Amino acid sequence: QKEVEQDPGPLSVPEGAIVSLNCTYSNSAFQYFMWYRQYSRKGPELLMYTYSSGNKEDGRFTAQVDKSSKYISLFIRDSQPSDSATYLCAMSVWGQGGSEKLVFGKGTKLTVNP
Amino acid sequence: DSGVTQTPKHLITATGQRVTLRCSPRSGDLSVYWYQQSLDQGLQFLIQYYNGEERAKGNILERFSAQQFPDLHSELNLSSLELGDSALYFCASSPVPYTEAFFGQGTRLTVV
Repeated sequence: QKEVEQDPGPLSVPEGAIVSLNCTYSNSAFQYFMWYRQYSRKGPELLMYTYSSGNKEDGRFTAQVDKSSKYISLFIRDSQPSDSATYLCAMSVWGQGGSEKLVFGKGTKLTVNP
Repeated sequence: DSGVTQTPKHLITATGQRVTLRCSPRSGDLSVYWYQQSLDQGLQFLIQYYNGEERAKGNILERFSAQQFPDLHSELNLSSLELGDSALYFCASSPVPYTEAFFGQGTRLTVV
């Protein structure tokens, strides 16, 4: 079982839709959870960063972490064509000696159609 | 702009050659990571440095090496290049290891 699983998609939605992107993980030691957006052939851009379980909102984006289920989500409200990109989840554990790591999902490719 | 600078942006070189990719982390970030991303593939972790010392190694080939200098910039050296080494190479930095990482725009390497 991979440490981080992310459905590669592709996911295609109409403009204005609510998008739900998800990752599951197996390592209960993960402490930090991140979402990145990567446009084609560009560097990943950090969108959301959270430490605890629960929801974190930033504009049209909401990150949700459920540590009990080992499941994280990114919701995009009122999706726009400019949101078309690949979204990568990432999670990490730090400060625990040899088990420190930062692991990325493979990414979900999203297309928002006008 | 993430604050992480990578040079050069593009590099075309022949098989068997050696190249050096350079990364300047965000001001104050002590941790630097290198990743390789081939066409339509995920990020492959290569190596990580923290304050000048190697912290973690991923799937880095023996033909590849890296270092982080006292001013915290980092270089990734790729030698005996093969066609399969053509990829995007990203550098990322974070203030402490394994927390939020900020990526540069990458170096696109083409080996012909």
